Order: sequence, then structure tokens, then C-alpha cells
Amino acid sequence: AQSVTQPDIHITVSEGASLELRCNYSYGATPYLFWYVQSPGQGLQLLLKYFSGDTLVQGIKGFEAEFKRSQSSFNLRKPSVHWSDAAEYFCAVGEPGTYKYIFGTGTRLKVLA
Amino acid sequence: EAGVTQSPTHLIKTRGQQATLRCSPISGHTSVYWYQQALGLGLQFLLWYDEGEERNRGNFPPRFSGRQFPNYSSELNVNALELEDSALYLCASSFRTGTEAFFGQGTRLTVV
Repeated sequence: AQSVTQPDIHITVSEGASLELRCNYSYGATPYLFWYVQSPGQGLQLLLKYFSGDTLVQGIKGFEAEFKRSQSSFNLRKPSVHWSDAAEYFCAVGEPGTYKYIFGTGTRLKVLA
Repeated sequence: EAGVTQSPTHLIKTRGQQATLRCSPISGHTSVYWYQQALGLGLQFLLWYDEGEERNRGNFPPRFSGRQFPNYSSELNVNALELEDSALYLCASSFRTGTEAFFGQGTRLTVV
């Protein structure tokens, strides 16, 4: 069965520091991969997505993610974090053909001024 | 363009009652998904509707049900509410052949 693991429940970084949020998935083939962000009291906003092709994906708000098939990973990165990036981040796997999305349990990011 | 809209924003019910949550997808989207976000459990897939039919279902008991209307809006019904049903219920929509879902702001259901 497909699954998504986000090993870090909480991450704290200083404003201006770089960020990497980890995501590992289990799926028989190459799934569709997504990162979403959820600010407090809000719904989920899509940051970026990977379907195929170039394994380095650029998203909104300066985020990028790299798909590594050999590691079954899709880690999210940002070179310089802003205080407004404090939120919860969800990695998701989309099952092609079913449009069923499996989400990780999320990583809550705290940004220190 | 309006996004996915959910109503009500907050809902308080007593254990044993029924709750009805509503979702209007983005115009042109035919697929609607429901997720439960309970504290500490992340997002759990509940239901997927497309073209008026239930296409897929998560690991939830039958008292969680729903439907999709001809205008592609959707209702989620939760019968015989239990305390652990308290959660944020998120609705998302996508094109039938699309591969990304857009989420609403959610309905916060509290069962007391």
C-alpha cells in the first residue's frame, strides 16, 4: 500500500537560514508528488507538484523540491526562510488514475526572528 | 475566480447527532474530495466523487457518507456522531483529468 512519511514533526529555523523538509514515499511506480502548505486556520495551498520529467521542481514562494527515485524521496527546500513561511507543510502522493491523494502527517515549521 | 468554498465554517454538534457539511468546487471542476484532519492524525482521505458518483473511499465507517449533485457540489454527512469525529474537514476539487487538487478552508466540526 502506498504511504507517505514526513519524519520531522517539528522544525525550527532562523529567519534567513536554509530549509529542507523531508518526505519519503512508498509506491509501486512513480506517483504524482505534491507539497502543500497550511497556515493556521486555513486550507491547503499547493506549493509545487511533480508528475514527470525534470526531477527538480520549482514552486511558489521560492520553494523547490527534488524527486529522487532511488531514495523514494521528494524533499522540499528553500534557500532563505522568511518569517511568513511559518506554517505546516504536507507532502502528498497522488495515485495516477484514481486521483486519490495520500498525505503525510505534516511538518510544522517555526521561524525564529 | 472563486476557489473551493465550504460551509459552515464551524459546526458544533452533540454526540449521536448528524452533521452535514457542504462543498462547492471551483467552476469547471468535476471531482470533489473529502479529507478529515484530526489533531495529531494528519490528513486522512475520506471520499472521492466524480461526475456524481462515489469513485473511491478511505478507511472510514459507513456512517460517513456523502453525495455529489448535478452541479458538482457535494455534501458530507456524518451520522451518529462520536467525540473522535471532532476534526477539520477539508474539501478539495480538481478537473476530471487534472492531477492537482485545490482545497477549501475547511469546516471545523466539534462534537460535544
